[in-house]
Amino acid sequence: ETGVTQSPTHLIKTRGQQVTLRCSSQSGHNTVSWYQQALGQGPQFIFQYYREEENGRGNFPPRFSGLQFPNYSSELNVNALELDDSALYLCASSLEGAHYGYTFGSGTRLTVV
Amino acid sequence: SQKIEQNSEALNIQEGKTATLTCNYTNYSPAYLQWYRQDPGRGPVFLLLIRENEKEKRKERLKVTFDTTLKQSLFHITASQPADSATYLCAPYKYIFGTGTRLKVLA
Repeated sequence: ETGVTQSPTHLIKTRGQQVTLRCSSQSGHNTVSWYQQALGQGPQFIFQYYREEENGRGNFPPRFSGLQFPNYSSELNVNALELDDSALYLCASSLEGAHYGYTFGSGTRLTVV
Repeated sequence: SQKIEQNSEALNIQEGKTATLTCNYTNYSPAYLQWYRQDPGRGPVFLLLIRENEKEKRKERLKVTFDTTLKQSLFHITASQPADSATYLCAPYKYIFGTGTRLKVLA
């Protein structure tokens, strides 16, 4: 049973650029959610995808967008990067309706300069 | 909006002692509450889930309690070890995590 895989592990981008982060869900999971975690803070929910549709969104602007593919893998896209977007981006997969915890990836550390 | 409070200051305890971490939440009581462990630079790892009709749940040296009247969950690690040093996050609501409590177990 494979866990959640995220790529890349680290990334440096310039303000104003666009970035795409990728996530492969754990086998058997059909839901993926994305979180932003600033240093010293808890993960902040960005959005969740189920059956390739966004079915929940946190307080993030539209320049944060995503996709879920038929194999349940997912992408997070961020346009017009700002310095405050520098953070650890975490992907978590789960099985919709099941009451057990999320399986997180190790994250992508994004630095915007 | 939901507000979650965890001990913001780091908790230092001696090896072998019991560590107790607190998670307080406001607004409505959740149907279930989760606890996670996070090591620096890594993603959170799920530890335990407790449902609203369960007062207590155990897993090896871990114990979680859930008091819906007090709107509080307590997370205990008995016989703590230096390897238990990490940040522990509670998640009383779907998608919403506390800021975590950093635990350091001293040898």
